[in-house]
Amino acid sequence: AQRVTQPEKLLSVFKGAPVELKCNYSYSGSPELFWYVQYSRQRLQLLLRHISRESIKGFTADLNKGETSFHLKKPFAQEEDSAMYYCALNGQNFVFGPGTRLSVLP
Amino acid sequence: DGGITQSPKYLFRKEGQNVTLSCEQNLNHDAMYWYRQDPGQGLRLIYYSQIVNDFQKGDIAEGYSVSREKKESFPLTVTSAQKNPTAFYLCASSRTSSYNEQFFGPGTRLTVL
Repeated sequence: AQRVTQPEKLLSVFKGAPVELKCNYSYSGSPELFWYVQYSRQRLQLLLRHISRESIKGFTADLNKGETSFHLKKPFAQEEDSAMYYCALNGQNFVFGPGTRLSVLP
Repeated sequence: DGGITQSPKYLFRKEGQNVTLSCEQNLNHDAMYWYRQDPGQGLRLIYYSQIVNDFQKGDIAEGYSVSREKKESFPLTVTSAQKNPTAFYLCASSRTSSYNEQFFGPGTRLTVL
């Protein structure tokens, strides 16, 4: 079975503070992991994927197979980062986590 | 935002009626997907199609049906057998099923009265 968990429903940080959105997964095979983001009144869109190993909008995520985690990090949060973030796993099917709402306070 | 469209944006139906949600894409993508989004549960896969005239059940297919007669279209029918149909429905497409950047439509909110 494959599963994605995001333990925080809501995460609030102040502007300029570091932010980490947690994602853990369970999958017996070799996982392909993604972070999707939904800004207010916009469509759900891809933020980054682990195989790209790139930084998008200052966000990075490292796949840790030992801890089965794919946490999303940004060293200095901006107000425009406020959005709903979903971690997703491509295994047998495409599975999304429940999402974390990030609120960046001024 | 273009490329993948869903209509209508809001849909109301009476209990016991079937209703069909439209999803169209002009991205020439082979794969298309339907998800249901409920508060606190993220997105759950209903059905997906890797190629025309083929589709597979996702995690919560009961009470739903789909067709894929054309590459650009993947309509979802919510049948009267679906016990809790009120939800937000999202359609997505990707170039192939193995190239998995999915592009999402704006969604349809279905309310059963």
